[in-house]
Amino acid sequence: AAGVIQSPRHLIKEKRETATLKCYPIPRHDTVYWYQQGPGQDPQFLISFYEKMQSDKGSIPDRFSAQQFSDYHSELNMSSLELGDSALYFCASSLVGSSNYGYTFGSGTRLTVV
Amino acid sequence: GENVEQHPSTLSVQEGDSAVIKCTYSDSASNYFPWYKQELGKGPQLIIDIRSNVGEKKDQRIAVTLNKTAKHFSLHITETQPEDSAVYFCAASDPNTGGFKTIFGAGTRLFVKA
Repeated sequence: AAGVIQSPRHLIKEKRETATLKCYPIPRHDTVYWYQQGPGQDPQFLISFYEKMQSDKGSIPDRFSAQQFSDYHSELNMSSLELGDSALYFCASSLVGSSNYGYTFGSGTRLTVV
Repeated sequence: GENVEQHPSTLSVQEGDSAVIKCTYSDSASNYFPWYKQELGKGPQLIIDIRSNVGEKKDQRIAVTLNKTAKHFSLHITETQPEDSAVYFCAASDPNTGGFKTIFGAGTRLFVKA
């Protein structure tokens, strides 16, 4: 079965650079969520999109922005990168209104800022 | 907003023994409680979930119980096997809110010793 696809798997950037992470949800899923997970930490909610509109916002820095496109894929744009942005970034998708509210997570993008 | 607390942070059991992980939540509006298993280098995977209109749910060796009055829920793994070793996250969400976001507990690192 198709899963949530994230790209790239690994990314190394220097401080103050920009990074773009991509997420392709499970086909027919209408909601995408972005989470940031630091080493040994639980996933922290950043932002979500439902039917291409931002549906909720968590602890996402102002330096980050995201959007969901017409094909439901989503991109997380991160500017002015800081060392503290180094983390695993997960995307998850779900189908609102289905009997299963659980998320399906991608394998994540490991961002290292040097 | 919702706050989820999870205990213990680390749990070590002998193969064949049972493991229990407990979580509490703060927002009485939360009505969906998934559990995720995260193996090293992978995204969290949904293993079982429960809704607030159900007190217990079982799927083979794993079961989840929910006490909505006390706002706590637990994961029970019986006959543990080495491949159960992973980090387990409990979570809570209110699918009826516009954001559909899920808040995670801090995680429990489970070690199953052969």
